Formats: sequence, structure tokens, C-alpha cells
Amino acid sequence: AQSVTQPDIHITVSEGASLELRCNYSYGATPYLFWYVQSPGQGLQLLLKYFSGDTLVQGIKGFEAEFKRSQSSFNLRKPSVHWSDAAEYFCAVGGLGATNKLIFGTGTLLAVQP
Amino acid sequence: DVKVTQSSRYLVKRTGEKVFLECVQDMDHENMFWYRQDPGLGLRLIYFSYDVKMKEKGDIPEGYSVSREKKERFSLILESASTNQTSMYLCASSGPWGETQYFGPGTRLLVL
Repeated sequence: AQSVTQPDIHITVSEGASLELRCNYSYGATPYLFWYVQSPGQGLQLLLKYFSGDTLVQGIKGFEAEFKRSQSSFNLRKPSVHWSDAAEYFCAVGGLGATNKLIFGTGTLLAVQP
Repeated sequence: DVKVTQSSRYLVKRTGEKVFLECVQDMDHENMFWYRQDPGLGLRLIYFSYDVKMKEKGDIPEGYSVSREKKERFSLILESASTNQTSMYLCASSGPWGETQYFGPGTRLLVL
């Protein structure tokens, strides 16, 4: 079955510390992978995406993610977290096609301590 | 700049009312989607449309219907609202070949 697992429901980090949010997926075909961020009361904003090529992808706001096919993972990282990064983060997987449905994880809520 | 707009940010309705949620995109996208978001459950797909007048059920279509009469507009209809449809509703659109989905700001619906 196709699925996305974000094992951490809630994470708290100190401002300036590094961050890694985990994402594991199960998908039968070549996966296209996404990370979205949602600030309170807002819609989802795309942080980055992986379609093919270099397995380390750079996104907006200083985020990056690495696709590891052998581990079925697409973890999100940031070297130094800012207070404004406090939000909920969603990993999603989909495939190429005329009806590109995405499967979303349940999200990780990030809190940033001063 | 990419833009998906939703008709209301907050909506309060009574049980049994018919509710319309409107979504408009200005990117000439073929695909449009309706999700609902609930704490701990992530985003669940209700319906999607890959062309005008075309629609397909998502994972949780029960109690909902949709309408797409024009390419830029995708409406979600709750025929008879119930309290278990209290949720955040998100609309998204994308191009035809697996590109990124772009999301609207969401409508938070409360059914009393």
C-alpha cells in the first residue's frame, strides 16, 4: 500500500540548533517527494521537491532534504533553526501522471524555544 | 505569482444546511483537489478533478459532492452538513504531469 510515515508528531528545538524531520514512504513506482510547511491558520507552502537527479535538494528558507532510495526516506534538514520556522511540516509522495494525487503524512509540529 | 483562493476563511453553519466552498485558481491548471485536514490525520483527499466537468472520488467522498463548470473554479458541496464535517478544508491545483500542488489558504468550517 502507498503510504507516508512521519514518526515524530511533535519536536521542540532551540533557536540556532540543527533540525532533522523524518519521512519514510512506501510507493510502488518512482516516487516524487515533497515537503510542505503550514503556518498556523494558513494553507500549505511548498518547501522543496524531488523528482529526479541529485538526491540532495535545496529548498526555500534554508531547508534541504535528501532522498535515500535504499531507506525509502526523504528527511528534511536545516542547519540552524529560526523562531519563524515554528510550524507544521508535511511530507508527501506522488507519481507522474495526468492525475497526480499526493499521499500526505500526518505532519510534524515544530516548536522553537528561544 | 501562483494563486489559489478560497471563498471564505471561516464559516459557521447549522446541521442540515447545504454548504458551498468555492476555490479559484489563476494558473490555468488542469487538476484541482479538495482535502480536509484534521489533527493527527494529516490531509485526506475528498475529491479531485482533472478537467472541466470531470471528477473522481478521493479517499473520503461520503457526504460531499463537487462541481467544476469552469477550468479555474472547483466547488465543494456539503449537501446536508453534519457536525463530523467540522474541519479545515484545503483546495489545491496542479498542472497535468505530476507537478507541484499549490494550496489555497484554507476554510475552517464549524458545523453546529
